[in-house]
Amino acid sequence: NAGVTQTPKFQVLKTGQSMTLQCAQDMNHNSMYWYRQDPGMGLRLIYYSASEGTTDKGEVPNGYNVSRLNKREFSLRLESAAPSQTSVYFCASTWAAGASSGNTIYFGEGSWLTVV
Amino acid sequence: DAKTTQPNSMESNEEEPVHLPCNHSTISGTDYIHWYRQLPSQGPEYVIHGLTSNVNNRMASLAIAEDRKSSTLILHRATLRDAAVYYCILRANTGNQFYFGTGTSLTVIP
Repeated sequence: NAGVTQTPKFQVLKTGQSMTLQCAQDMNHNSMYWYRQDPGMGLRLIYYSASEGTTDKGEVPNGYNVSRLNKREFSLRLESAAPSQTSVYFCASTWAAGASSGNTIYFGEGSWLTVV
Repeated sequence: DAKTTQPNSMESNEEEPVHLPCNHSTISGTDYIHWYRQLPSQGPEYVIHGLTSNVNNRMASLAIAEDRKSSTLILHRATLRDAAVYYCILRANTGNQFYFGTGTSLTVIP
């Protein structure tokens, strides 16, 4: 199994450009997440999707939009990139909360984004 | 949402045990305690999780305080490959957010 796959792995953008980070999981998970990690910092939740058709804001949603295209795919869009969005972005997935609360979270390998 | 507190950094000598603490004083009765670690330039990976009882797996052990307000991740014999940032997080029985905090950066000294 591929697990959680993110594309692209590396991207350089100019200020004001737009781009979409793609994420797909093949584990039939209900919930998917986007995090960002700035140098030397922990992960901060941008947006999450508890189930297909729903999305919710996390800690740092400003400047981002998301789309839960189907159960497998969850994309993150930067409409007008800013240097402050230079970061490493991680997608993750897991089973939804409830009876499966013990289940683990699976992460992608990360997408390194630089905005100049 | 319940949050966790961890020391910023710790050091250990190679092949010695390591005890990584985590405080979660606002934990609710149905929150699971999860530990993840992040190796350099990689995404976080699962280490272990538990609810009330101590847990063991091939990677580590998890000791949970009786009042559940703290827990300790135990690496029985640290190796150089264990050098990573270790995150303690709570997974609620309701809701779907996961907050990672800044974790503990473990340095293993040869």
